[in-house]
Amino acid sequence: EPEVTQTPSHQVTQMGQEVILRCVPISNHLYFYWYRQILGQKVEFLVSFYNNEISEKSEIFDDQFSVERPDGSNFTLKIRSTKLEDSAMYFCASTGQGGNQPQHFGDGTRLSIL
Amino acid sequence: QKEVEQDPGPLSVPEGAIVSLNCTYSNSAFQYFMWYRQYSRKGPELLMYTYSSGNKEDGRFTAQVDKSSKYISLFIRDSQPSDSATYLCAMSGHSGGSNYKLTFGKGTLLTVNP
Repeated sequence: EPEVTQTPSHQVTQMGQEVILRCVPISNHLYFYWYRQILGQKVEFLVSFYNNEISEKSEIFDDQFSVERPDGSNFTLKIRSTKLEDSAMYFCASTGQGGNQPQHFGDGTRLSIL
Repeated sequence: QKEVEQDPGPLSVPEGAIVSLNCTYSNSAFQYFMWYRQYSRKGPELLMYTYSSGNKEDGRFTAQVDKSSKYISLFIRDSQPSDSATYLCAMSGHSGGSNYKLTFGKGTLLTVNP
């Protein structure tokens, strides 16, 4: 069964550094999402992406964050000037034709900011 | 009032028991309702997906949606130790654009004891 893959599985970064989290969505999917889950808290929506542009973003997704689909397969989340509170699991999700189809998630990247 | 509320548990049951998991919500715009299962250090795995009110059955799992009460349930029959995981409810609405972001409950930690 096709799946969403995320790399790296664990990223450790010094505060203030930039990180790029990578995702390969399911190949025929058109809608892409990033969510994060701080330890012990809910999974929270960050951003949705469709037709090569952001369709919606949460208040968490400020100027520190950006997303990109640099080619036909990858979908990246960049976090500039990381802060301690950016430490979390970051999940990528994708869905197919019709954004109301169920979202399929990757196994996440655990980001640890030191 | 929180948008989606879910009793975090933990819930511990003997093997073979019927498990009932529930969420309530406040946003009447939600139309799509999902249950995800999440094992430790893994991404959410889609279990059930329903649109609007009604029941849906898939093997040992039954999802119920009561939009009039803003209440959704997941029932697991003949529970197995392999069902031990955190169960997340999630929902989305369609507000005329591409707003299919998921709003999650906090998750219920279930342990099925052999």
